[in-house]
Amino acid sequence: DVKVTQSSRYLVKRTGEKVFLECVQDMDHENMFWYRQDPGLGLRLIYFSYDVKMKEKGDIPEGYSVSREKKERFSLILESASTNQTSMYLCASSHHRGLNTEAFFGQGTRLTVV
Amino acid sequence: AQKITQTQPGMFVQEKEAVTLDCTYDTSDPSYGLFWYKQPSSGEMIFLIHQGSYDQQNATEGRYSLNFQKARKSANLVISASQLGDSAMYFCAARYGNNRLAFGKGNQVVVIP
Repeated sequence: DVKVTQSSRYLVKRTGEKVFLECVQDMDHENMFWYRQDPGLGLRLIYFSYDVKMKEKGDIPEGYSVSREKKERFSLILESASTNQTSMYLCASSHHRGLNTEAFFGQGTRLTVV
Repeated sequence: AQKITQTQPGMFVQEKEAVTLDCTYDTSDPSYGLFWYKQPSSGEMIFLIHQGSYDQQNATEGRYSLNFQKARKSANLVISASQLGDSAMYFCAARYGNNRLAFGKGNQVVVIP
């Protein structure tokens, strides 16, 4: 059974804290993605990675960074958490072969910044 | 940013009836993939169906079918014989040449008995 696992389901952090959201996949996928989901806005791409140590900015990268030191792990970092980063964060992965390969998602991390 | 448009407000559908969810996309790329995902209240994203831009026939997967109209750049999802378990958010997504996967804002569907 394919699996994308996010380290936390719920997280509460204080303003200004450095926050790490971890995502691990066991499918040997090349592509990994981080999205945030907010009501009425759908899923917005923060960053994605198509290989180890490779990353590209998505549509809303401000305030975030990422790390991909190993193929199976893709971390999202909030350098200094702010209340407007309170959101649902979804990690996904997919194979790199062609445009018709679906992405598999983790269960999501609901982050609250207080 | 790549644009995926889902404009319908929340929809109520009678159990056992069909429902169509609209999706339009915006690209000049000749090659792309289109996807639909379901997100129930539990929050997980479930892949439903996909369509490649060069596919000649509309994709079908059980009760799901994709009405692909390439010239109109639309990829509507049809759910036949709705069930109570179909109540969820539905997201249209597209992957273009840069390999990004972009999503629309979603459609809320509520199936009523």
